[in-house]
Amino acid sequence: GAGVSQSPSNKVTEKGKDVELRCDPISGHTALYWYRQSLGQGLEFLIYFQGNSAPDKSGLPSDRFSAERTGGSVSTLTIQRTQQEDSAVYLCASSPGPNTGELFFGEGSRLTVL
Amino acid sequence: QQPVQSPQAVILREGEDAVINCSSSKALYSVHWYRQKHGEAPVFLMILLKGGEQKGHEKISASFNEKKQQSSLYLTASQLSYSGTYFCGTSNAGNNRKLIWGLGTSLAVNP
Repeated sequence: GAGVSQSPSNKVTEKGKDVELRCDPISGHTALYWYRQSLGQGLEFLIYFQGNSAPDKSGLPSDRFSAERTGGSVSTLTIQRTQQEDSAVYLCASSPGPNTGELFFGEGSRLTVL
Repeated sequence: QQPVQSPQAVILREGEDAVINCSSSKALYSVHWYRQKHGEAPVFLMILLKGGEQKGHEKISASFNEKKQQSSLYLTASQLSYSGTYFCGTSNAGNNRKLIWGLGTSLAVNP
């Protein structure tokens, strides 16, 4: 597709289970971001990938959160031992380069932890 | 550190104007504006760099006042399609990586 694709669009899980969220960025975009959007909150930066450089993980809230980006394209955000406070919409965005202004967002993955 | 957006919410009739403000307590390098409709991806509107420039996109324009550490988004002759939540993201560096986002301003345009 032409835009950023995220899956699943909705995920309901039980507390303590692991979840994986996938992001397929726009082809050719070297920069990829993960954000978390909780109800009534702004976008919270989680992690940033740029090309083959080491990712900026400074926004990950705990060591239960991890992300990888394979082959400089698809990215997976993994949350281990989910907690209720992890419930949120997880947004992925990509951009052509590190200093390119416009971010292209996916529609997000809504995670509900029961 | 999070920019403050005001107002939190606004309701307009089609054709009316609105101003949304984004203020920071820190010196800004750039301000980024996005609109998000319910259940959809945020969509880019514009970026303003320090220097006090003003930009426009159809009937939506914005200004950036470096001294006041503030940006304002101007919506002129609003259309139904303008409804959504407007977010500003601020940076004090020359890239997008560390954007800090406001809580958003909800805008509803009614016929």
